Amino acid sequence: SQQGEEDPQALSIQEGENATMNCSYKTSINNLQWYRQNSGRGLVHLILIRSNEREKHSGRLRVTLDTSKKSSSLLITASRAADTASYFCALRNTGGFKTIFGAGTRLFVKA
Amino acid sequence: DTAVSQTPKYLVTQMGNDKSIKCEQNLGHDTMYWYKQDSKKFLKIMFSYNNKELIINETVPNRFSPKSPDKAHLNLHINSLELGDSAVYFCASSQDGSRSNQPQHFGDGTRLSIL
Repeated sequence: SQQGEEDPQALSIQEGENATMNCSYKTSINNLQWYRQNSGRGLVHLILIRSNEREKHSGRLRVTLDTSKKSSSLLITASRAADTASYFCALRNTGGFKTIFGAGTRLFVKA
Repeated sequence: DTAVSQTPKYLVTQMGNDKSIKCEQNLGHDTMYWYKQDSKKFLKIMFSYNNKELIINETVPNRFSPKSPDKAHLNLHINSLELGDSAVYFCASSQDGSRSNQPQHFGDGTRLSIL
């Protein structure tokens, strides 16, 4: 399968804790993106990491990419109840035109 | 000020009917997409248009027909609706779909329920 596979499928944590979500894939990629989807809303782009990058930060988000293991992780530090959402990784194959989305990790942050 | 807007937000209809979903983006993007999200949240590409030209046409029944009158609009018409068509349909756009580093901007979805 070309799509990213997120792990875990669901995650429940207390406010203030860190949340880590992982994405594994099987093909060579140009870049990997992470999106958030709040309930009843569309996906919102969070961050993009290129295949030649190993780590990227944006506010409380930290993304890593290991192309040798074909995996990426999204870390949300000091989580808040408002971070409750589904998080998707999305990848673009080298030379491909389609962006393929994984099935998502459902994060629930308890206040 | 909504960047990608799709209508209607909810669509409840009988099996066998024909329905349309409209999408408009005011971002000046060249590329637009339709996705289907099933009950397990899996998001699958259906179609993509770049400057009104069809560039992605996944294995979708020909009951689904996209139409792009201009690059700011991509509508989806569905004939002879079936129970399996029940899902949330998302429209999205990006600046230039041929460039892999362009993020996609999504509408808030149309929840289609077939009775």
